[in-house]
Amino acid sequence: DTAVSQTPKYLVTQMGNDKSIKCEQNLGHDTMYWYKQDSKKFLKIMFSYNNKELIINETVPNRFSPKSPDKAHLNLHINSLELGDSAVYFCASSQLPGGWTEAFFGQGTRLTVV
Amino acid sequence: DQQVKQNSPSLSVQEGRISILNCDYTNSMFDYFLWYKKYPAEGPTFLISISSIKDKNEDGRFTVFLNKSAKHLSLHIVPSQPGDSAVYFCAASVSGGTSYGKLTFGQGTILTVHP
Repeated sequence: DTAVSQTPKYLVTQMGNDKSIKCEQNLGHDTMYWYKQDSKKFLKIMFSYNNKELIINETVPNRFSPKSPDKAHLNLHINSLELGDSAVYFCASSQLPGGWTEAFFGQGTRLTVV
Repeated sequence: DQQVKQNSPSLSVQEGRISILNCDYTNSMFDYFLWYKKYPAEGPTFLISISSIKDKNEDGRFTVFLNKSAKHLSLHIVPSQPGDSAVYFCAASVSGGTSYGKLTFGQGTILTVHP
């Protein structure tokens, strides 16, 4: 039974398109995140939501818009896709927004913009 | 500015021997440190953590050591097994304030354990 699941796992699209990545967690966690792993393999946080409220926005272009319809879901919508958006995007969740707690990650969505 | 660094891109060890993975950090506000393991085409999975009030935490074959004065932590795996072959990420966070659980990751070390 998958704890944090993302769809799709692979996404290939053309420049200029709009696409969404969905994320769901069944752990009952209050906090969810989006991380991006770039070509240099660094994992960097993009957004964090706590109880459907945006609490972290790490200077991500406005073309990226997270949406949290409820605390079990955090979707990522990307407008006007660019070549540089190609990366692996990971959704994660944690029980607490801070403190000494670990995050649980989804399997990742590999986005390729051509 | 990379606040968490794993300076060894790769490490190769023999099965049964000890694997030591290293991590350095620059932000003195970090007070919680974690190690994640990642297999290809999967997300990172939590392995072990340590808070800044401790200098050692052990869980089975895995032990994490924290040297706050040197801003250095290490993960020891004893004995190493072929199934331990993966990418290991060090991560750090600030527990209070407005960090809200934000993890800052190192760039990872590829561990290969040979039979």
